[in-house]
Amino acid sequence: SQTIHQWPATLVQPVGSPLSLECTVEGTSNPNLYWYRQAAGRGLQLLFYSVGIGQISSEVPQNLSASRPQDRQFILSSKKLLLSDSGFYLCAWTSLGTGGEKLFFGSGTQLSVL
Amino acid sequence: AQSVAQPEDQVNVAEGNPLTVKCTYSVSGNPYLFWYVQYPNRGLQFLLKYITGDNLVKGSYGFEAEFNKSQTSFHLKKPSALVSDSALYFCAVSQAGTALIFGKGTTLSVSS
Repeated sequence: SQTIHQWPATLVQPVGSPLSLECTVEGTSNPNLYWYRQAAGRGLQLLFYSVGIGQISSEVPQNLSASRPQDRQFILSSKKLLLSDSGFYLCAWTSLGTGGEKLFFGSGTQLSVL
Repeated sequence: AQSVAQPEDQVNVAEGNPLTVKCTYSVSGNPYLFWYVQYPNRGLQFLLKYITGDNLVKGSYGFEAEFNKSQTSFHLKKPSALVSDSALYFCAVSQAGTALIFGKGTTLSVSS
């Protein structure tokens, strides 16, 4: 069966420090991978998605970047964190298809930038 | 561009009463519509989806949703609410080849 792992679960970082959040999927190949951010009172915002190794689409201009060095690995990064980067970050995957496939979410990372 | 609106930040119902969580969407073509539920400090869990076919979709935990094309709505319903249904509910929309776009979420609170 397929599983998705996301770590760390919680992270407290000072402003200006770098960030690396990792997500891996097991039990499937060539998944579509997504990073979402959930900020208080603002719902779930799509940050990045990837349909293959090295292929990253960004939905919003921001202080973050994403990379997909391997088929089932998706990394969210920042060189210098801002206070506004605080939030709950969720990785998700779905099978490659034409749309309508449901997303499977990781357990999330609560990031606090102080 | 796709968008989805959940007009209520919070819905309060008594246990045993029917519940409705509202969702409206905007897309240029045929939508794929979803409902997800999130419990505290957890990832989202899939409840149900509408792709095509019968407008009434049944999902997990006794939930159902009705697709109404003329009103561009996809409201989530349950005939009899449970306290354990209390959670954050997200509506989402996508189209062929696009990523899911989520609404802001609606907090459902079921009192005993």
